Amino acid sequence: QLVLTQSPSASASLGASVKLTCTLSSGHSNYAIAWHQQQPERGPRYLMKVISDGRHSKGDGIPDRFSGSSSGAERYLTISSLQSEDEGDYYCQTWGTGIQVFGGGTKLTVL
Amino acid sequence: QVHLQESGPGLVEPSGTLSLTCSVSGVSISSSNWWSWVRQPPGKGLEWVGEIYPSGGANYNASLKSRVTMSVDKSKNQFSLKLSSVTAADTGVYYCAKDWGRTAPVGYWGQGALVTVSS
Repeated sequence: QLVLTQSPSASASLGASVKLTCTLSSGHSNYAIAWHQQQPERGPRYLMKVISDGRHSKGDGIPDRFSGSSSGAERYLTISSLQSEDEGDYYCQTWGTGIQVFGGGTKLTVL
Repeated sequence: QVHLQESGPGLVEPSGTLSLTCSVSGVSISSSNWWSWVRQPPGKGLEWVGEIYPSGGANYNASLKSRVTMSVDKSKNQFSLKLSSVTAADTGVYYCAKDWGRTAPVGYWGQGALVTVSS
């Protein structure tokens, strides 16, 4: 079964860096994922696609502070030089033939 | 510039049918692989509802499959969602979405439409 697992919450200080993790279920470690950001009271926004070798392709206007990487079944989103507007929920998503799956989301707090 | 806009009734009675349309501008519906619907119950995470291709073929979330129908109207550059036999559990914000360069199913999001199921 295709499942994505995310930690429910994360926090980091203004100006620091944070690395969010999304873990693919057993047997699906080669799947690509996408990261989406949802700021408070707003709709989601596509950030990037991350593939198994760590390469990523970002969406329109996504700052260089956002980057993606990969290791085994884990896919990462790193945000550097944290700003207050980075606070919100971050969802990973994956897909296969005839199916899409979202992780439960990580709530990021910028201290 | 790609723009997606959801429209439809904001209030649906229990056991009724939820109907939403996504109007697409800035790109032809025929130009993309995937057109998706995603929903978000109040205070909860994102849930995939289903996807439809320009050809009209579609795939649905297994938990909703018996109640969901999606369609494409190329002449209007729109695609639609119908969810039947709704209950309060179907209340939430419904987003339509377009793929990202045919390599990822969701790269552009609509602003979302709040649908409340209540009598």
